[in-house]
Amino acid sequence: QKEVEQDPGPLSVPEGAIVSLNCTYSNSAFQYFMWYRQYSRKGPELLMYTYSSGNKEDGRFTAQVDKSSKYISLFIRDSQPSDSATYLCAMKLTGGGNKLTFGTGTQLKVEL
Amino acid sequence: DTGVSQNPRHKITKRGQNVTFRCDPISEHNRLYWYRQTLGQGPEFLTYFQNEAQLEKSRLLSDRFSAERPKGSFSTLEIQRTEQGDSAMYLCASSRTGDEQFFGPGTRLTVL
Repeated sequence: QKEVEQDPGPLSVPEGAIVSLNCTYSNSAFQYFMWYRQYSRKGPELLMYTYSSGNKEDGRFTAQVDKSSKYISLFIRDSQPSDSATYLCAMKLTGGGNKLTFGTGTQLKVEL
Repeated sequence: DTGVSQNPRHKITKRGQNVTFRCDPISEHNRLYWYRQTLGQGPEFLTYFQNEAQLEKSRLLSDRFSAERPKGSFSTLEIQRTEQGDSAMYLCASSRTGDEQFFGPGTRLTVL
């Protein structure tokens, strides 16, 4: 079993829809959570970073963390075709761990 | 833009050849990371530098792989005696605090 599970999709939604992307994890020592967006053949781009349970909002993006359930989500409001990309969740251990552990990524397509 | 840069962007080589990739981190970021990403997967951690010291290495980093960061600035990743299984995207990331990691565009390696 992988430490971080993420549905690979693909997920197809109409323009303007609210998108929900999710990851679950098994290691309760993960305390820092990130969402990256990756366009085809490009490097990952950091979208959201959070370390506490609850919600964090940035523009059209909201990151949600539920440490008790070991579950994180990214919501995208008013989705646009330019949001079409692969979304990767990533996590880091507490206590100074350096490496990020990634999910496999969810491929999102926002259609006109 | 003074983001993370990587060179070359693409490298095609024959099995058994040696290859070297370069990463230039964001200015003043003393932490530098290498990851490898294969198709349909999230990035996997390879190694971590703080300044010039290599502080962490993954078990994925076999004896054929070596990384350096002389003078704590740019870093190189060398793969000796390449194998077809080494074909992947090699990603470099840098960080100032060790929390948020910012990725470069990656070097795509194809081993024939």
